[in-house]
Amino acid sequence: AAGVIQSPRHLIKEKRETATLKCYPIPRHDTVYWYQQGPGQDPQFLISFYEKMQSDKGSIPDRFSAQQFSDYHSELNMSSLELGDSALYFCASSRRDRANEIYGYTFGSGTRLTVV
Amino acid sequence: AQSVTQLDSQVPVFEEAPVELRCNYSSSVSVYLFWYVQYPNQGLQLLLKYLSGSTLVKGINGFEAEFNKSQTSFHLRKPSVHISDTAEYFCAVTRLTNTGNQFYFGTGTSLTVIP
Repeated sequence: AAGVIQSPRHLIKEKRETATLKCYPIPRHDTVYWYQQGPGQDPQFLISFYEKMQSDKGSIPDRFSAQQFSDYHSELNMSSLELGDSALYFCASSRRDRANEIYGYTFGSGTRLTVV
Repeated sequence: AQSVTQLDSQVPVFEEAPVELRCNYSSSVSVYLFWYVQYPNQGLQLLLKYLSGSTLVKGINGFEAEFNKSQTSFHLRKPSVHISDTAEYFCAVTRLTNTGNQFYFGTGTSLTVIP
């Protein structure tokens, strides 16, 4: 079965550079979520999109932005990177049925960002 | 608001011994509960989930968990562990509604299986 695809798998950037992470949800999933997991930490929710609109916002820094495109893939844009941004970034996707219940919540394998 | 507490940050256990990883949650509304496993340098893999129905949930790799509403617990158990079970285990809670569908994770329990 198709899973949530994240690219790239690994990314190394220097301080103050920008990075773009991509997430391709499971087909027919309409919602995308982004999580950040720092070294030795639990995953923390950043932001989510439903039908290309921001639906929920967590602890996402102002230097980060994200969007969901017409094909439902999402991109997380990170600017002015700091050493503390080094983390594993997970994307998850789900779909909402007619009763607004959430189904099929699935995590991707993550993108490991290292800022040097 | 929902939250998850994993009471043990590290659990060492000998191979073929039983193990229990504890998870307690707090929420003012009905929630759904999950256990994920994360192997070193890898992503989150779903072990099992409780959405409704039987409170005893069986997952992959021989793991099971029991939802206890009165004790607000969702402890993970395995009767006999293998070396390959060495990993980080996260308990998570969510409401799975259109207004509350982000996951809240516990701080994780590092399971180390000793040969």
